[in-house]
Amino acid sequence: DVKVTQSSRYLVKRTGEKVFLECVQDMDHENMFWYRQDPGLGLRLIYFSYDVKMKEKGDIPEGYSVSREKKERFSLILESASTNQTSMYLCASSPDLISDTQYFGPGTRLTVL
Amino acid sequence: SQQGEEDPQALSIQEGENATMNCSYKTSINNLQWYRQNSGRGLVHLILIRSNEREKHSGRLRVTLDTSKKSSSLLITASRAADTASYFCATANPSGSGAGSYQLTFGKGTKLSVIP
Repeated sequence: DVKVTQSSRYLVKRTGEKVFLECVQDMDHENMFWYRQDPGLGLRLIYFSYDVKMKEKGDIPEGYSVSREKKERFSLILESASTNQTSMYLCASSPDLISDTQYFGPGTRLTVL
Repeated sequence: SQQGEEDPQALSIQEGENATMNCSYKTSINNLQWYRQNSGRGLVHLILIRSNEREKHSGRLRVTLDTSKKSSSLLITASRAADTASYFCATANPSGSGAGSYQLTFGKGTKLSVIP
């Protein structure tokens, strides 16, 4: 079974802090994704990566950056956290960008105070 | 950009009844997928139907796709309390990105409650 893990289930940070969310997948997938999920807005794509050191902006990249130094690991960085970044963050991976299936991690619920 | 839109937003049924959820979309797609999310958890892939397919089955799940109407439906037969979750459709459509041909775009979901 594909396993996607995220570093924290719950995280509380203060405004202005730098925040790192880590995601690791164990199936040698080429592609990895970061989404945020908010009530009434559904899932929105922040960034994705189709190869090591490669990244593409999604629909809402502002205020975020990403890093993919190794194939199995995709990090989401909030350079200076703000209260409007309080959300559920979901990481996913897929073997094929034509999106046959995406495999999701359990999510990180981030609260920025 | 939001592509798929699920209908209804919420659905409450008795255990043993069938549940039907619908998804409409606006532009051409490569495939359409359904996912399930239990409260506060990640999404789990249920079924994928390609644009040249009309119907697909997996256990108690049946998915149909009508590309002329740009719509899909997910039917869960003989529902169980454990089916209580949110269900999302996701469409694989051209992303416009130079790197990847397709992007998966999720709807806002249907919240299904199955009452024991």
